[in-house]
Amino acid sequence: EDQVTQSPEALRLQEGESSSLNCSYTVSGLRGLFWYRQDPGKGPEFLFTLYSAGEEKEKERLKATLTKKESFLHITAPKPEDSATYLCAVQGNTDKLIFGTGTRLQVFP
Amino acid sequence: DAGITQSPRHKVTETGTPVTLRCHQTENHRYMYWYRQDPGHGLRLIHYSYGVKDTDKGEVSDGYSVSRSKTEDFLLTLESATSSQTSVYFCAISDLALAQGANYGYTFGSGTRLTVV
Repeated sequence: EDQVTQSPEALRLQEGESSSLNCSYTVSGLRGLFWYRQDPGKGPEFLFTLYSAGEEKEKERLKATLTKKESFLHITAPKPEDSATYLCAVQGNTDKLIFGTGTRLQVFP
Repeated sequence: DAGITQSPRHKVTETGTPVTLRCHQTENHRYMYWYRQDPGHGLRLIHYSYGVKDTDKGEVSDGYSVSRSKTEDFLLTLESATSSQTSVYFCAISDLALAQGANYGYTFGSGTRLTVV
Protein backbone atom coordinates (compact mmCIF):
# COMPACT_ATOMS: atom_id res chain seq x y z
CA GLU A 1 0.00 0.00 0.00
CA ASP A 2 1.32 3.42 -0.96
CA GLN A 3 2.00 5.58 2.08
CA VAL A 4 3.46 8.99 2.91
CA THR A 5 4.60 10.20 6.35
CA GLN A 6 5.65 13.79 6.97
CA SER A 7 7.62 15.14 9.90
CA PRO A 8 7.56 17.21 11.96
CA GLU A 9 3.85 17.99 12.19
CA ALA A 10 4.66 21.60 13.06
CA LEU A 11 7.80 23.69 12.94
CA ARG A 12 8.46 27.15 14.34
CA LEU A 13 11.47 29.04 13.02
CA GLN A 14 12.97 32.42 13.56
CA GLU A 15 13.40 34.45 10.40
CA GLY A 16 16.71 33.42 8.83
CA GLU A 17 16.90 30.10 10.71
CA SER A 18 17.33 27.37 8.07
CA SER A 19 15.75 23.93 8.51
CA SER A 20 14.42 20.87 6.68
CA LEU A 21 11.06 19.12 6.37
CA ASN A 22 10.96 15.35 5.88
CA CYS A 23 8.71 13.17 3.71
CA SER A 24 9.13 9.40 4.03
CA TYR A 25 7.32 7.24 1.51
CA THR A 26 6.58 3.73 0.33
CA VAL A 27 5.16 3.34 -3.16
CA SER A 28 4.93 0.77 -5.92
CA GLY A 29 6.67 2.16 -8.95
CA LEU A 30 7.38 5.79 -8.15
CA ARG A 31 6.27 8.02 -11.03
CA GLY A 32 6.74 11.26 -9.14
CA LEU A 33 7.05 12.86 -5.71
CA PHE A 34 5.36 16.22 -5.35
CA TRP A 35 5.68 19.10 -2.94
CA TYR A 36 2.83 21.55 -2.49
CA ARG A 37 2.37 24.64 -0.40
CA GLN A 38 -1.02 25.35 1.18
CA ASP A 39 -2.02 28.67 2.71
CA PRO A 40 -4.97 28.87 5.13
CA GLY A 41 -8.32 28.79 3.33
CA LYS A 42 -6.77 27.94 -0.04
CA GLY A 43 -6.06 24.90 -2.14
CA PRO A 44 -2.60 23.34 -2.40
CA GLU A 45 -0.24 25.10 -4.79
CA PHE A 46 2.33 23.14 -6.76
CA LEU A 47 6.02 23.62 -5.87
CA PHE A 48 8.14 20.74 -7.23
CA THR A 49 8.07 17.33 -8.87
CA LEU A 50 10.96 14.90 -8.34
CA TYR A 51 11.22 11.71 -10.38
CA SER A 52 14.29 9.74 -9.32
CA ALA A 53 16.72 9.35 -6.44
CA GLY A 54 19.45 11.97 -6.45
CA GLU A 55 17.33 14.59 -8.15
CA GLU A 56 17.20 18.11 -6.69
CA LYS A 57 15.10 21.16 -7.53
CA GLU A 58 15.25 24.71 -6.24
CA LYS A 59 12.92 27.67 -6.10
CA GLU A 60 13.94 30.81 -4.25
CA ARG A 61 14.63 29.74 -0.63
CA LEU A 62 13.34 26.19 -1.14
CA LYS A 63 15.26 23.13 -2.29
CA ALA A 64 13.76 19.66 -2.62
CA THR A 65 15.82 16.48 -2.68
CA LEU A 66 14.90 12.83 -3.20
CA THR A 67 16.28 9.47 -2.11
CA LYS A 68 14.76 6.02 -2.59
CA LYS A 69 12.90 6.27 0.71
CA GLU A 70 12.45 9.95 1.51
CA SER A 71 12.41 13.51 0.33
CA PHE A 72 13.55 16.65 2.09
CA LEU A 73 12.37 20.19 1.62
CA HIS A 74 15.19 22.46 2.73
CA ILE A 75 14.30 26.04 3.63
CA THR A 76 17.23 28.43 3.63
CA ALA A 77 16.99 31.71 5.55
CA PRO A 78 13.19 31.62 5.70
CA LYS A 79 11.01 34.71 5.80
CA PRO A 80 7.60 35.17 7.46
CA GLU A 81 5.93 34.85 4.04
CA ASP A 82 7.19 31.26 3.86
CA SER A 83 4.74 30.39 6.65
CA ALA A 84 2.32 27.77 5.30
CA THR A 85 1.56 24.08 5.41
CA TYR A 86 3.80 22.04 3.13
CA LEU A 87 2.34 18.87 1.68
CA CYS A 88 4.17 15.92 0.17
CA ALA A 89 2.52 13.44 -2.20
CA VAL A 90 3.60 10.43 -4.23
CA GLN A 91 2.27 9.04 -7.49
CA GLY A 92 2.85 5.37 -8.15
CA ASN A 93 1.56 2.76 -10.54
CA THR A 94 -2.07 3.61 -9.69
CA ASP A 95 -1.53 7.14 -11.09
CA LYS A 96 -3.36 8.64 -8.12
CA LEU A 97 -1.67 11.03 -5.71
CA ILE A 98 -1.29 9.85 -2.10
CA PHE A 99 -0.76 12.73 0.33
CA GLY A 100 0.94 13.07 3.67
CA THR A 101 -0.69 15.05 6.46
CA GLY A 102 1.66 18.00 6.01
CA THR A 103 4.08 20.10 8.04
CA ARG A 104 2.78 23.41 9.35
CA LEU A 105 5.61 25.94 9.19
CA GLN A 106 5.56 29.22 11.09
CA VAL A 107 8.35 31.73 10.58
CA PHE A 108 8.59 34.57 13.09
CA PRO A 109 10.28 37.92 12.44
CA ASP B 1 -5.30 30.22 -10.93
CA ALA B 2 -5.40 27.58 -13.66
CA GLY B 3 -9.08 27.86 -14.53
CA ILE B 4 -10.70 25.71 -11.88
CA THR B 5 -13.54 26.95 -9.72
CA GLN B 6 -15.55 25.32 -6.98
CA SER B 7 -19.02 26.25 -5.81
CA PRO B 8 -20.27 27.00 -3.31
CA ARG B 9 -17.29 28.15 -1.23
CA HIS B 10 -19.16 27.61 2.01
CA LYS B 11 -22.27 25.63 2.87
CA VAL B 12 -24.12 24.68 6.03
CA THR B 13 -26.67 21.90 5.70
CA GLU B 14 -28.74 19.68 7.93
CA THR B 15 -28.18 16.00 8.58
CA GLY B 16 -30.07 13.82 6.12
CA THR B 17 -30.31 16.36 3.30
CA PRO B 18 -28.72 15.85 -0.11
CA VAL B 19 -25.91 18.21 -1.08
CA THR B 20 -24.19 18.77 -4.42
CA LEU B 21 -20.82 20.44 -4.85
CA ARG B 22 -19.66 21.63 -8.25
CA CYS B 23 -16.24 21.76 -9.83
CA HIS B 24 -15.79 23.62 -13.13
CA GLN B 25 -12.61 23.74 -15.23
CA THR B 26 -11.66 25.69 -18.31
CA GLU B 27 -8.41 23.78 -19.00
CA ASN B 28 -9.96 20.86 -20.93
CA HIS B 29 -8.06 18.43 -18.70
CA ARG B 30 -9.14 14.83 -18.93
CA TYR B 31 -8.78 13.89 -15.25
CA MET B 32 -10.75 15.38 -12.37
CA TYR B 33 -10.68 14.44 -8.70
CA TRP B 34 -12.58 15.09 -5.49
CA TYR B 35 -10.64 15.10 -2.22
CA ARG B 36 -11.64 15.83 1.34
CA GLN B 37 -9.22 17.35 3.83
CA ASP B 38 -9.54 16.75 7.56
CA PRO B 39 -7.14 17.48 10.42
CA GLY B 40 -4.82 14.53 11.02
CA HIS B 41 -5.83 12.79 7.79
CA GLY B 42 -4.50 14.99 5.08
CA LEU B 43 -6.09 14.91 1.64
CA ARG B 44 -8.05 11.73 0.91
CA LEU B 45 -9.43 10.78 -2.50
CA ILE B 46 -13.21 10.39 -2.70
CA HIS B 47 -13.89 9.82 -6.41
CA TYR B 48 -12.16 10.60 -9.66
CA SER B 49 -13.00 10.82 -13.33
CA TYR B 50 -10.87 9.91 -16.34
CA GLY B 51 -13.31 11.18 -18.94
CA VAL B 52 -16.93 12.10 -19.61
CA LYS B 53 -19.15 9.55 -17.88
CA ASP B 54 -16.07 7.60 -16.73
CA THR B 55 -15.67 7.66 -12.95
CA ASP B 56 -14.20 5.46 -10.25
CA LYS B 57 -14.05 5.26 -6.47
CA GLY B 58 -11.27 6.50 -4.25
CA GLU B 59 -10.37 5.46 -0.71
CA VAL B 60 -13.29 7.21 1.08
CA SER B 61 -16.20 6.93 -1.38
CA ASP B 62 -18.96 5.63 0.93
CA GLY B 63 -21.86 8.11 1.11
CA TYR B 64 -20.72 10.01 -1.98
CA SER B 65 -21.58 9.83 -5.67
CA VAL B 66 -20.25 11.76 -8.65
CA SER B 67 -21.26 12.62 -12.18
CA ARG B 68 -19.44 14.02 -15.17
CA SER B 69 -21.68 14.76 -18.15
CA LYS B 70 -19.31 17.33 -19.67
CA THR B 71 -15.52 17.60 -19.72
CA GLU B 72 -15.59 20.82 -17.76
CA ASP B 73 -17.92 19.85 -14.89
CA PHE B 74 -17.52 17.28 -12.13
CA LEU B 75 -20.25 17.10 -9.50
CA LEU B 76 -19.97 15.55 -6.04
CA THR B 77 -23.20 14.57 -4.31
CA LEU B 78 -23.69 13.63 -0.70
CA GLU B 79 -26.83 11.52 -0.91
CA SER B 80 -27.83 12.05 2.74
CA ALA B 81 -25.38 14.27 4.59
CA THR B 82 -24.00 13.15 7.94
CA SER B 83 -21.93 15.02 10.53
CA SER B 84 -18.91 12.88 9.62
CA GLN B 85 -18.98 14.51 6.18
CA THR B 86 -18.23 17.92 7.66
CA SER B 87 -14.98 18.74 5.92
CA VAL B 88 -13.22 20.88 3.36
CA TYR B 89 -13.67 19.48 -0.13
CA PHE B 90 -11.14 20.10 -2.89
CA CYS B 91 -11.47 19.48 -6.58
CA ALA B 92 -8.34 18.89 -8.64
CA ILE B 93 -7.55 18.49 -12.33
CA SER B 94 -4.68 16.95 -14.24
CA ASP B 95 -3.63 16.01 -17.72
CA LEU B 96 -1.65 12.78 -17.53
CA ALA B 97 -1.04 13.07 -21.22
CA LEU B 98 1.71 15.59 -20.47
CA ALA B 99 5.06 14.29 -21.60
CA GLN B 100 7.38 12.73 -19.05
CA GLY B 101 9.29 15.45 -17.27
CA ALA B 102 6.39 17.87 -17.51
CA ASN B 103 4.13 16.32 -14.91
CA TYR B 104 2.92 19.02 -12.56
CA GLY B 105 0.69 16.69 -10.62
CA TYR B 106 -2.66 18.22 -9.91
CA THR B 107 -4.02 21.74 -9.94
CA PHE B 108 -6.41 22.37 -7.08
CA GLY B 109 -9.43 24.57 -6.64
CA SER B 110 -9.91 26.83 -3.63
CA GLY B 111 -12.13 24.38 -1.78
CA THR B 112 -15.66 24.15 -0.37
CA ARG B 113 -16.09 24.23 3.38
CA LEU B 114 -19.11 22.05 4.21
CA THR B 115 -20.66 21.91 7.65
CA VAL B 116 -23.34 19.32 8.42
CA VAL B 117 -25.36 20.17 11.54
